[in-house]
Amino acid sequence: DQQVKQNSPSLSVQEGRISILNCDYTNSMFDYFLWYKKYPAEGPTFLISISSIKDKNEDGRFTVFLNKSAKHLSLHIVPSQPGDSAVYFCAAGFGGSNYKLTFGKGTLLTVNP
Amino acid sequence: NAGVTQTPKFQVLKTGQSMTLQCAQDMNHNSMYWYRQDPGMGLRLIYYSASEGTTDKGEVPNGYNVSRLNKREFSLRLESAAPSQTSVYFCASSRVDTSSYNEQFFGPGTRLTVL
Repeated sequence: DQQVKQNSPSLSVQEGRISILNCDYTNSMFDYFLWYKKYPAEGPTFLISISSIKDKNEDGRFTVFLNKSAKHLSLHIVPSQPGDSAVYFCAAGFGGSNYKLTFGKGTLLTVNP
Repeated sequence: NAGVTQTPKFQVLKTGQSMTLQCAQDMNHNSMYWYRQDPGMGLRLIYYSASEGTTDKGEVPNGYNVSRLNKREFSLRLESAAPSQTSVYFCASSRVDTSSYNEQFFGPGTRLTVL
């Protein structure tokens, strides 16, 4: 049972435009969510997170939106840059002493110059 | 601060051979994890160690064993490698704090091929 789903395997956008990456989850007990970015031949790196008590978190060009009623979150990148081309993983977890994260399968973002 | 380091970077094994993947972190994190990444499958948790002295199975533990050697080091062992274990293996660590969220930090990965 896939608890975190990224239904778009790939996304292509033009430089300067907005990139929107989507993620759905099924477990309503998740109480925080993270986005990771991964370049080829490197490990994933943390990008941005949001707790379930918020509906938006912003960090520079990156904004994550959370819609708890729809069990949906999205990552917005504005403006998109060629260096943003990477695989983006959505992850969800439980706070406190629960240690594990559940990852989606990832979305490959390509930003064209 | 090196973060999370993994050795080796690449390895080729024959079916039935054994090997140990090494992982170390210098961030004084309590928890450590081993994942594998396969095309179209995302990151799947193999084993994790919530704290020094404890280990638990993740989503795909069959064919693997782990050892939490000390707070810094967490190794993954393949006793008898199979072609299905061809994958990229990532080690990660996190600070466990009931007042914070457990962001995980990843190593650069080990690319393993089993012939």
